[in-house]
Amino acid sequence: DIQMTQSPSSLSASVGDRVTITCRASQGIRNDLGWYQQKPGKAPKRLIYAASSLQSGVPSRFSGSGSGTEFTLTISSLQPEDFATYYCLQHNNYPRTFGQGTKVEIK
Amino acid sequence: EVQLVESGGDLVQPGGSLRLSCAASGFTFSYYWMHWVRQAPGKGLVWVSRINTDGSSTKYADSVEGRFTISRDNAKNTLYLQMNSLRDEDTAVYYCVRDVSGLEYWGQGTLVTVSS
Repeated sequence: DIQMTQSPSSLSASVGDRVTITCRASQGIRNDLGWYQQKPGKAPKRLIYAASSLQSGVPSRFSGSGSGTEFTLTISSLQPEDFATYYCLQHNNYPRTFGQGTKVEIK
Repeated sequence: EVQLVESGGDLVQPGGSLRLSCAASGFTFSYYWMHWVRQAPGKGLVWVSRINTDGSSTKYADSVEGRFTISRDNAKNTLYLQMNSLRDEDTAVYYCVRDVSGLEYWGQGTLVTVSS
């Protein structure tokens, strides 16, 4: 199985801050990676697909980069509605595997 | 508008069975691979199973292989997950998810609780 190691597991940030979350795959997955946002009691919502493509309707302050084994989600200027848990997911191989999540909290 | 509406979640005893359904609307259901993903209370997301467009190919996580069966009825625009021999650790919210370059659109989920 491909292991997805996500870091940090949590972070505290202020509105307007630049935030970066990283996922590392245990083997190369090309760009078969997505990023998801989940708020309490809600279903996950995809933000980024194919590692760097912005999902329709998602604000441009979200961006993704990387290929192979190292991937990054960046929020350029954190907004109040961005406080949530973020997950990466690889869909290069089965079983599909998620990172363990990053909880973004208010500082 | 794309809609995925899960149902069938309930409280069930260990060793019991349950069938989840996911009603799809707003898109041509038969064109898309579909998945089930689950999330135990307070925990992360775990992929469970996938089915291709005509149901001829399925994949499962090791933890559910041999106990769970994914299926679909394209005439009814519905995805299913038959869950047998349920265990305490199967307690989770179960989401059905449409596949477009990965797991794209998620339903709101249905809660399965396995407890005596």
